[in-house]
Amino acid sequence: SSELTQDPAVSVALGQTVRITCQGDSLRSYYANWYQQKPGQAPVLVIYGKNDRPSGIPDRFSGSSSGNTASLTITGAQAEDEADYYCNSRDSSGNHYVFGTGTKVTVL
Amino acid sequence: QVQLQESGPGLVKPSETLSLTCTVSGGSISSYYWSWIRQPPGKGLEWIGYIFYRGTTNYNPSLKSRVTISVDTSKNQFSLTLSSVTAADTAVYYCARVLVAPTGGWFDPWGQGTLVTVSS
Repeated sequence: SSELTQDPAVSVALGQTVRITCQGDSLRSYYANWYQQKPGQAPVLVIYGKNDRPSGIPDRFSGSSSGNTASLTITGAQAEDEADYYCNSRDSSGNHYVFGTGTKVTVL
Repeated sequence: QVQLQESGPGLVKPSETLSLTCTVSGGSISSYYWSWIRQPPGKGLEWIGYIFYRGTTNYNPSLKSRVTISVDTSKNQFSLTLSSVTAADTAVYYCARVLVAPTGGWFDPWGQGTLVTVSS
């Protein structure tokens, strides 16, 4: 079982804000990174480190963290944001990498 | 920019060895860590392991006994072998560059992925 837990699914109305969370003990020591995966495609990095966006990622995506919980916020969700989202970080030992269980985001 | 492409057989028999290669283009394999990640159909992502261009490796403890990752800097490639496969190893296999950091580390970019089915 994954050491990083995410809600299986969330929905958001078009143009509204949605927050996706990732919980795990290792997040007290390490940042979570976030990936967007659309059907049939490879994951794409959207947030890394404290709250950095790779080139080309819209600024409606942002990251934050508190205690053992990291969050990805989409402010003003668009239809094209409908996808699966995964967090990743180190495991509790700090020696290996793990992914979260994934959250399916539906834009209504 | 850096691009990755997985290649290898799409069908492997149970108990045999899965072998895949990732070719890096648009940049050198040197100075970075490189990883394999897999995703069973309809399921989540699982980190398999990584290799530094100089050959240092780190594997998922749950797969460590069956996994080997190697690198060929002359070909700008790195490879995955997974032995004694079962149907549970059926997945899309991705290769990705790892940006290792003291604060964690992230995977970017990713290859397009290749589906490997374990079946007789």
